[in-house]
Amino acid sequence: EAGVVQSPRYKIIEKKQPVAFWCNPISGHNTLYWYRQNLGQGPELLIRYENEEAVDDSQLPKDRFSAERLKGVDSTLKIQPAELGDSAVYLCASSLRTPNTIYFGEGSWLTVV
Amino acid sequence: KNEVEQSPQNLTAQEGEFITINCSYSVGISALHWLQQHPGGGIVSLFMLSSGKKKHGRLIATINIQEKHSSLHITASHPRDSAVYICAVNTSYDKVIFGPGTSLSVIP
Repeated sequence: EAGVVQSPRYKIIEKKQPVAFWCNPISGHNTLYWYRQNLGQGPELLIRYENEEAVDDSQLPKDRFSAERLKGVDSTLKIQPAELGDSAVYLCASSLRTPNTIYFGEGSWLTVV
Repeated sequence: KNEVEQSPQNLTAQEGEFITINCSYSVGISALHWLQQHPGGGIVSLFMLSSGKKKHGRLIATINIQEKHSSLHITASHPRDSAVYICAVNTSYDKVIFGPGTSLSVIP
């Protein structure tokens, strides 16, 4: 069974440019998470979906970040415009439903220069 | 005070040693996770617990719901166990809160 797939794995962009990350969760997983992880720190939740509904986006900086999960499967996370402080690893994770084992993707490493 | 705390923050052990990492939490939970993250790597789920004890290979995880405490034990540690170990909880209101992680280094 394929795990959580994310792309791109690495991205370097100039500040003020847009960037988008894509996530394909494990088939059948209703819950999808986007996390941001800074070096040496634990993941922090950006948004959680139950199917196509964003049930927790309280930590998503909505002035520049947006996310969508069309049809309750794949999801995209967009940053526009990117700032230097957005450099981090963006992790997608999924689970059947909460609470359940959480499966993480490899992450998308963003560097903003 | 963080809702999920771990100790120690950093741990260095000799190969073969028995290792214990502790996690304490202050919120109501429905489940607790132990996760492993190798340097530059993704996060792998080791255990999900809601009560008692689980064992997988050389890894053992226990949880005491009354004391709001969990431990991760590694028996016969090996250099490949070197990683960051993260405790995370599913709260009663469906949030996942991560601990700060414990960085383990096992020296040959």
